[in-house]
Amino acid sequence: DQQVKQNSPSLSVQEGRISILNCDYTNSMFDYFLWYKKYPAEGPTFLISISSIKDKNEDGRFTVFLNKSAKHLSLHIVPSQPGDSAVYFCAASARNSGGSNYKLTFGKGTLLTVNP
Amino acid sequence: NAGVMQNPRHLVRRRGQEARLRCSPMKGHSHVYWYRQLPEEGLKFMVYLQKENIIDESGMPKERFSAEFPKEGPSILRIQQVVRGDSAAYFCASSPRQINYNEQFFGPGTRLTVL
Repeated sequence: DQQVKQNSPSLSVQEGRISILNCDYTNSMFDYFLWYKKYPAEGPTFLISISSIKDKNEDGRFTVFLNKSAKHLSLHIVPSQPGDSAVYFCAASARNSGGSNYKLTFGKGTLLTVNP
Repeated sequence: NAGVMQNPRHLVRRRGQEARLRCSPMKGHSHVYWYRQLPEEGLKFMVYLQKENIIDESGMPKERFSAEFPKEGPSILRIQQVVRGDSAAYFCASSPRQINYNEQFFGPGTRLTVL
C-alpha cells in the first residue's frame, strides 16, 4: 500500500515558467512533509518542508502548499531554471510515541526537465 | 566538512554471496538511517541506529539482512545469501540527533547488482 503517491512520473517545462509538482498521501497520521531533490548518482538533498499546522511554506523560488482536507501537497518552482532538472521526491513522516519524526516515507518521484 | 560517505558506490554480487555496505556519517553525527530504493520506486526506510544500538529495524526484511553501527568505524548493512530481488540502491543518512527529519543528510548511495 503506497502511502505517498506522486502520480506524474515526469514533467517538462520551459525555462522561466512555473513548475508544479504534486503529491498525495493516504496516512492521516502524517504531520510533516518534505521535498527532496535528487540528481543521478547522488543522494537526495533536502529542499523544503512543511508542518501540518501550516498550509504554505516559501523559500526563495520554492513554495510548498499543503491541503490537509484533500491530503494533497504541491511544490511550486518559479521561475524554473535548467539546473532544476532532477527527480523530485515527496516524503512524509508521522510523529512516533517518543515525539520523533525520523522515519520518512517517500513517493516514487517525478522527473522534472526544464528546457532552455 | 565531508558529507555522508558510502562505499562501495557500486557492488556486484552473484546469487548466494554476501554483500557488505558501509556508511560513514557526517562528522559529529551519531544517528544513522538506511533506506533502500528498488527500481522505479521511492526510498523505503529500513533501519535506524545509534552508536552500538539498533533503535528501529521495522523496515528490515526478517531474514538475511542485518545492520550495525559499532562504537568505532562505519555503520554496516550486511545482506547474506543475496538474491536478484536485492538489487537496488541503498542510501544511508545521518543526523546529529534524533529529532527533525529534515536534518537527515543522505550519502550518494551504493548500487547493488545481483547477477
